[in-house]
Amino acid sequence: KAGVTQTPRYLIKTRGQQVTLSCSPISGHRSVSWYQQTPGQGLQFLFEYFSETQRNKGNFPGRFSGRQFSNSRSEMNVSTLELGDSALYLCASRPGTVEDTQYFGPGTRLTVL
Amino acid sequence: AQKVTQAQTEISVVEKEDVTLDCVYETRDTTYYLFWYKQPPSGELVFLIRRNSFDEQNEISGRYSWNFQKSTSSFNFTITASQVVDSAVYFCALSMDSNYQLIWGAGTKLIIKP
Repeated sequence: KAGVTQTPRYLIKTRGQQVTLSCSPISGHRSVSWYQQTPGQGLQFLFEYFSETQRNKGNFPGRFSGRQFSNSRSEMNVSTLELGDSALYLCASRPGTVEDTQYFGPGTRLTVL
Repeated sequence: AQKVTQAQTEISVVEKEDVTLDCVYETRDTTYYLFWYKQPPSGELVFLIRRNSFDEQNEISGRYSWNFQKSTSSFNFTITASQVVDSAVYFCALSMDSNYQLIWGAGTKLIIKP
């Protein structure tokens, strides 16, 4: 089975721009979660989607949004980028229940200049 | 409140030494799940093990072993006869039935010197 894939792997943007990151889950997995990783804050949960519905959300401003499509692929969008948004964005998928293990993709490294 | 503490920020050992990474968790939920992930320099988080709160059996997988103790709220990870390829950042994480997200420790950077 193919693992979780994320595109693009690297991205450079400037302040004020917006960005869209994509995540394709493992086949058969209906849940996709997004995490932000920075040296200062560590790993932080952004949100989770299950069957096209946001099931849980972390403490991030409204500039961070996401969606999930009927094929379980997910996108996250960050609008009006700030320097502090520079981070590794990780996507994880799991079959769907809370006790399922989350499997992670390689991440998208976003640099905001 | 739920919390995961990995007090060891960085550990450096010489190859073939045994090393233990500590993880202490806090939760009021009676059903919860504990995880260890490895993050090599490439950045991808690699799943190592999962433990359910109702299963306190320790586990051994090759050179890796895990000690889960509910009495001390700890889930420690031991690498026996460490190798250079074990060098990575290791994260302990917690999830509960009441919350779908993973709550992460700060990670322990493990350096294995040849």
